[in-house]
Amino acid sequence: DAKTTQPNSMESNEEEPVHLPCNHSTISGTDYIHWYRQLPSQGPEYVIHGLTSNVNNRMASLAIAEDRKSSTLILHRATLRDAAVYYCILIRGAQKLVFGQGTRLTINP
Amino acid sequence: DTAVSQTPKYLVTQMGNDKSIKCEQNLGHDTMYWYKQDSKKFLKIMFSYNNKELIINETVPNRFSPKSPDKAHLNLHINSLELGDSAVYFCASSQEGRAAEQYFGPGTRLTVT
Repeated sequence: DAKTTQPNSMESNEEEPVHLPCNHSTISGTDYIHWYRQLPSQGPEYVIHGLTSNVNNRMASLAIAEDRKSSTLILHRATLRDAAVYYCILIRGAQKLVFGQGTRLTINP
Repeated sequence: DTAVSQTPKYLVTQMGNDKSIKCEQNLGHDTMYWYKQDSKKFLKIMFSYNNKELIINETVPNRFSPKSPDKAHLNLHINSLELGDSAVYFCASSQEGRAAEQYFGPGTRLTVT
């Protein structure tokens, strides 16, 4: 399973942008980069995914480095509801999510 | 309308008992999964089924047996429950493919006493 590295925790203020980094130096050419988040007492929730190009959706943006060894999840205007654990996951081969410890994001009012 | 539902939400039982957790998805997906989240909050895949066929079995004890009666259901039966089985169990579903997003259920909190 391909490994990702994320900071244990990050903190930001409400209505400010948040950049959540992820390193995946052992990524292979066909690995997809997925981001999920888990709000307190809920199941994980899909956020966004990409392969090579940057991606935008209604929840967030995903910026992928040119060499694909790192990526950044961008929340454009954080709200209190965005406080969660964010997981960066590489999908290789079998369609399974291998969760690391993720980044615990705290949003200050 | 809930996309992925699980029953029960809470399950408290004694060691040695046998119990089942049910999962249903109404998204028309071909693939379903079971994940376990332990007390340290680590999430780990247990099983995956595609069109009722087992495709992933991640070194889970034989006491755990998934059953998929049809594409929309994936149940988890656990025999001879142990204290270490206490965890939150999440069911998920997705379409096929590495780009497919997975939809998770609300979880079943199992407590073994």
